[in-house]
Amino acid sequence: ETGVTQTPRHLVMGMTNKKSLKCEQHLGHNAMYWYKQSAKKPLELMFVYNFKEQTENNSVPSRFSPECPNSSHLFLHLHTLQPEDSALYLCASSQVTYRDSNQPQHFGDGTRLSIL
Amino acid sequence: SQQGEEDPQALSIQEGENATMNCSYKTSINNLQWYRQNSGRGLVHLILIRSNEREKHSGRLRVTLDTSKKSSSLLITASRAADTASYFCATAPEGAGSYQLTFGKGTKLSVIP
Repeated sequence: ETGVTQTPRHLVMGMTNKKSLKCEQHLGHNAMYWYKQSAKKPLELMFVYNFKEQTENNSVPSRFSPECPNSSHLFLHLHTLQPEDSALYLCASSQVTYRDSNQPQHFGDGTRLSIL
Repeated sequence: SQQGEEDPQALSIQEGENATMNCSYKTSINNLQWYRQNSGRGLVHLILIRSNEREKHSGRLRVTLDTSKKSSSLLITASRAADTASYFCATAPEGAGSYQLTFGKGTKLSVIP
């Protein structure tokens, strides 16, 4: 499914590196999300942005730093990550209204991150 | 704590058979959604059922919701090899203002040609 594009698709980095994940949505949505997907664990919501403002931060370590410059772009800046941070990082977007905030989310194909 | 929990964890069937997956949850919901994820890809939204609905259809998909039992089921009829994927339920909490969907661990479906 097109509409939400994530780059890069794969990333290998050392624990001392700094890198960024990028997400772009072409659906005109006003909310964007970062999720972490690890093997044998439920999908974990990390951050939520609505109209470029961060509305939720689910106790994510400070080594993950999100940035949302506009409603179409979302970044996840990474620094001094740990081996347990290796996972698939998924970006999603949705259209949120006051009356109905839980609309279907559209996902990108993710960035497979490996920490050496 | 985990909200949606799918059952079974894995399911293997022959092409043409029906596949049924179940989801149980713990708290009151606004709606429940089902997603599919093919290997190495993102999640794709399949169907949304609201708390005041009991059944919904979309093509070969049939979803039921029993709010008294806090459970839902996804039925895929006449399965095809292309239906091989992981299927997740996600619950949206009751009340406005929260964007958080809570996902289960998923059911891995294998359809054998």
